[in-house]
Amino acid sequence: DAKTTQPPSMDCAEGRAANLPCNHSTISGNEYVYWYRQIHSQGPQYIIHGLKNNETNEMASLIITEDRKSSTLILPHATLRDTAVYYCIVRVGNEDMRFGAGTRLTVKP
Amino acid sequence: KAGVTQTPRYLIKTRGQQVTLSCSPISGHRSVSWYQQTPGQGLQFLFEYFSETQRNKGNFPGRFSGRQFSNSRSEMNVSTLELGDSALYLCASSRWTGNTEAFFGQGTRLTVV
Repeated sequence: DAKTTQPPSMDCAEGRAANLPCNHSTISGNEYVYWYRQIHSQGPQYIIHGLKNNETNEMASLIITEDRKSSTLILPHATLRDTAVYYCIVRVGNEDMRFGAGTRLTVKP
Repeated sequence: KAGVTQTPRYLIKTRGQQVTLSCSPISGHRSVSWYQQTPGQGLQFLFEYFSETQRNKGNFPGRFSGRQFSNSRSEMNVSTLELGDSALYLCASSRWTGNTEAFFGQGTRLTVV
């Protein structure tokens, strides 16, 4: 079973920031938070991951709360091509990835 | 750099038959994982191979098996196909096993009739 809870769906206006929340209240100290997304009919795409510090790359930013019980993925300027299902996963390095239902993000013009 | 390649992309099989799916990871990647995706169950982990050894296995029956070759290419086999095996089978490769990003292929769409 997935160790995370995400809202089933969200909408975002094109050009605005998309903030996708994830709850992982039972996360343990050595578990990382990963984000992937899956655009329809394609394989999942890695976005970002982190342990406790906030992380940023060319795609997104990951904000992890100080107690590590929740995190937020931020797409700073959402485009129509960001419409996808976003998965938040927590895992220790040698564990398999358990995907939940994810959040279906719809970016609207 | 070439991505993860899965073949074939589409496959139709009859109940009771067996099927073999292939995955070629990104060059230099030694870990390959397999997933099954269905509308009802979502993405479910099947197994992971690293350096030709199975490291993790999901909760699937023994009809599902896999292997990895010395060049890191991997195959998965499903024997005695059932209608419920119809799914998108996804392969992901990583440079190593552990806290690192995985890169997924486009998947093989298997339909069992």
